[in-house]
Amino acid sequence: SQTIHQWPATLVQPVGSPLSLECTVEGTSNPNLYWYRQAAGRGLQLLFYSVGIGQISSEVPQNLSASRPQDRQFILSSKKLLLSDSGFYLCAWSAGTGRNQPQHFGDGTRLSIL
Amino acid sequence: AQSVTQLDSQVPVFEEAPVELRCNYSSSVSVYLFWYVQYPNQGLQLLLKYLSGSTLVESINGFEAEFNKSQTSFHLRKPSVHISDTAEYFCAVSGGYNKLIFGAGTRLAVHP
Repeated sequence: SQTIHQWPATLVQPVGSPLSLECTVEGTSNPNLYWYRQAAGRGLQLLFYSVGIGQISSEVPQNLSASRPQDRQFILSSKKLLLSDSGFYLCAWSAGTGRNQPQHFGDGTRLSIL
Repeated sequence: AQSVTQLDSQVPVFEEAPVELRCNYSSSVSVYLFWYVQYPNQGLQLLLKYLSGSTLVESINGFEAEFNKSQTSFHLRKPSVHISDTAEYFCAVSGGYNKLIFGAGTRLAVHP
């Protein structure tokens, strides 16, 4: 069966520090991969999605970047964190590009910026 | 373009009472709809999905949702809720490249 892992589960970082969040998927090949942010009391905002290695689409302009160095690895990064980067970050995967494929989510990383 | 509106940000209800969480969608293409549940400090879990066929879809824990094309709705219902159903519920419609467009969420609070 397929599984998705995110780490770390929680992270406290000072303003201006770098960031690297990692997500890996097991049990499937060539998944679509997604990064979402969920701010406190708000819905989900799609940040990036990827349909293949090295292929990244950004949904909103921001202080973050994403990379997909391997088929089942998705990394969210920042060179300098802002206070506004605080939130709950969720990684998700889906099988292929069919619109009828549900997304499956990891357990998330709670990021607090001090 | 697709969009989702969840009409209630919070729904308080007593244990064993029925509940309905409302979801309306807008889509210019064929519709695929999903309900997700999020327990505190966890990721989203797929609750149920409508892809085609029967307009009534059910989950394993007693929730059901009905696709209504004429009213562009996909409301989630449960005839008798438990304390453990307390969570946030998100309705979503599928967009291009299987991007999901989520509603703002409805926080269900079940009280004893």
